[in-house]
Amino acid sequence: AQSVTQPDIHITVSEGASLELRCNYSYGATPYLFWYVQSPGQGLQLLLKYFSGDTLVQGIKGFEAEFKRSQSSFNLRKPSVHWSDAAEYFCAVGTVTTGGYNKLIFGAGTRLAVHP
Amino acid sequence: DAMVIQNPRYQVTQFGKPVTLSCSQTLNHNVMYWYQQKSSQAPKLLFHYYDKDFNNEADTPDNFQSRRPNTSFCFLDIRSPGLGDAAMYLCATSRNSYNEQFFGPGTRLTVL
Repeated sequence: AQSVTQPDIHITVSEGASLELRCNYSYGATPYLFWYVQSPGQGLQLLLKYFSGDTLVQGIKGFEAEFKRSQSSFNLRKPSVHWSDAAEYFCAVGTVTTGGYNKLIFGAGTRLAVHP
Repeated sequence: DAMVIQNPRYQVTQFGKPVTLSCSQTLNHNVMYWYQQKSSQAPKLLFHYYDKDFNNEADTPDNFQSRRPNTSFCFLDIRSPGLGDAAMYLCATSRNSYNEQFFGPGTRLTVL
């Protein structure tokens, strides 16, 4: 069955430090992969997506992610974290249902705290 | 700006009293989704519409229904809310089934 694992429930970094959030997926075919960010009490905002092509994808707010098929991973990175990056981050894989539709399977999320 | 709008942002209802949540979009997307997100959990898909085609998730309780009267609007009806239905309800849209989803700000439902 398709699944997404985000091994880190909570991560704390200092402002200005680099960040890497881990994501591993289980999916039989070539996956569609996404990273979303959610601030408290808000909806989800798309940071970046991977459909095909270049395995290093750039997103908004200075984030990037690298798709590694051999490791079934899609880790999110940012070279220098800002206090405003504190939020919940969700990795998701797009899967095809029996009806031919696409649905997102989300990981459990990683809550990022940023220390000044 | 094109967007996904959810009303109300906060909804309080009583145990067993029907409630309707609203979602509208100006993106002219074909697909609209409803997710339930409980505290500190990932969003869970309840159902979605591809145009007028309704697709229910196998584990969505019968207590949850949806209507899509036109391309722009989609409603979530909870016929008899229980305490366990208290959650954030997120609406999302996508152009087609294989495109990324755009989320609204959510409706926080409280059941007393």
